[in-house]
Amino acid sequence: DGGITQSPKYLFRKEGQNVTLSCEQNLNHDAMYWYRQDPGQGLRLIYYSQIVNDFQKGDIAEGYSVSREKKESFPLTVTSAQKNPTAFYLCASSIVAGGTYEQYFGPGTRLTVT
Amino acid sequence: AQSVTQLGSHVSVSEGALVLLRCNYSSSVPPYLFWYVQYPNQGLQLLLKYTSAATLVKGINGFEAEFKKSETSFHLTKPSAHMRDAAEYFCAVSDGERDDKIIFGKGTRLHILP
Repeated sequence: DGGITQSPKYLFRKEGQNVTLSCEQNLNHDAMYWYRQDPGQGLRLIYYSQIVNDFQKGDIAEGYSVSREKKESFPLTVTSAQKNPTAFYLCASSIVAGGTYEQYFGPGTRLTVT
Repeated sequence: AQSVTQLGSHVSVSEGALVLLRCNYSSSVPPYLFWYVQYPNQGLQLLLKYTSAATLVKGINGFEAEFKKSETSFHLTKPSAHMRDAAEYFCAVSDGERDDKIIFGKGTRLHILP
């Protein structure tokens, strides 16, 4: 089955530690996205990538970093510079970048930092 | 820049009653519009999508939405609610080819009363 996988489902870290969230897709999609979801806030775009080895900042990129070395993989690192990292993180992909194309979402990773 | 407003962060309906979730958008060009559903601790799933073909769009699980340009609205409806419809629903908008991002609303949580 084609789809998007995110691991782990739940992640716990101590404050001051960097942590990397995994996102893999086998849909052969060119574009991939990372969103942060907080209660009552909807989805906010962190980073997106239209093609391998290229990515752009979204609305709330500060304290996060990404890489896109392979078409199927788009890992997100939450750095210690992110002031409030506890949230639900969603990865998505679409055939190509562009608002005409729907995005397909992974199951999400819930990160808790204490 | 486009934006989307969902009226009501929580909506409660009785099982078997009509479901109506409201969404208004702002866009300077003909928009592309989406409704997604999210079940607890899961990713988002596309319900339906408007791309200027037909103003009444039918989606999965018995949902449909009507695009009304004069009212800048794209409300989601279902004639008869089921308990399994309890979830959070997100309206989203894009400018299509002018922008490579989709803007999500803050979501409406639908509660189904027995």
